[in-house]
Amino acid sequence: EAGVAQSPRYKIIEKRQSVAFWCNPISGHATLYWYQQILGQGPKLLIQFQNNGVVDDSQLPKDRFSAERLKGVDSTLKIQPAKLEDSAVYLCASRRDAGVNYNEQFFGPGTRLTVL
Amino acid sequence: SQQGEEDPQALSIQEGENATMNCSYKTSINNLQWYRQNSGRGLVHLILIRSNEREKHSGRLRVTLDTSKKSSSLLITASRAADTASYFCATALNKLIFGAGTRLAVHP
Repeated sequence: EAGVAQSPRYKIIEKRQSVAFWCNPISGHATLYWYQQILGQGPKLLIQFQNNGVVDDSQLPKDRFSAERLKGVDSTLKIQPAKLEDSAVYLCASRRDAGVNYNEQFFGPGTRLTVL
Repeated sequence: SQQGEEDPQALSIQEGENATMNCSYKTSINNLQWYRQNSGRGLVHLILIRSNEREKHSGRLRVTLDTSKKSSSLLITASRAADTASYFCATALNKLIFGAGTRLAVHP
């Protein structure tokens, strides 16, 4: 099966600019996650979707970050305006909701964001 | 804040040696998972151990879990250069919470 797709792979912007990331999960996976991974740290969950509904966005900085999954398939994560501390790799992951190993999350290659 | 804390932060070994990484956590869990991350394949799920299990094997991987001590260990036997990566434990209750990882370097 095809993996989780993300684009772009790299993005460099200046602070106060806007940026958007796109994710297409594995076909049939109802649950989709966005994580932020700062250099030297583990991934931190930003938001979790079940189909097109938000399950957990408690760690999403809602004053500047937004995410949507309108049709319950692909998703976008936006930052507006970006700050220097937003420099990180943004990972998208998806998970099947039943069956063997349903707890396993499948991660995309990530988007490396640099804010100057 | 991160739930799991891996120890050591970095580990350097020779091919053929075993590598042991430890993870400690603070709260109750449903399961604990180990992931590997390298530049070639990104973040990949390795193994999951449920809170009512004490040990699990998968190929050259052996994971233990001690819920009374809130700790887990990952053992990689007969390491290979291709095992060079960062290894993360992630604790799961309602969501996955990752530790900061152990950077493993396996030298030929």
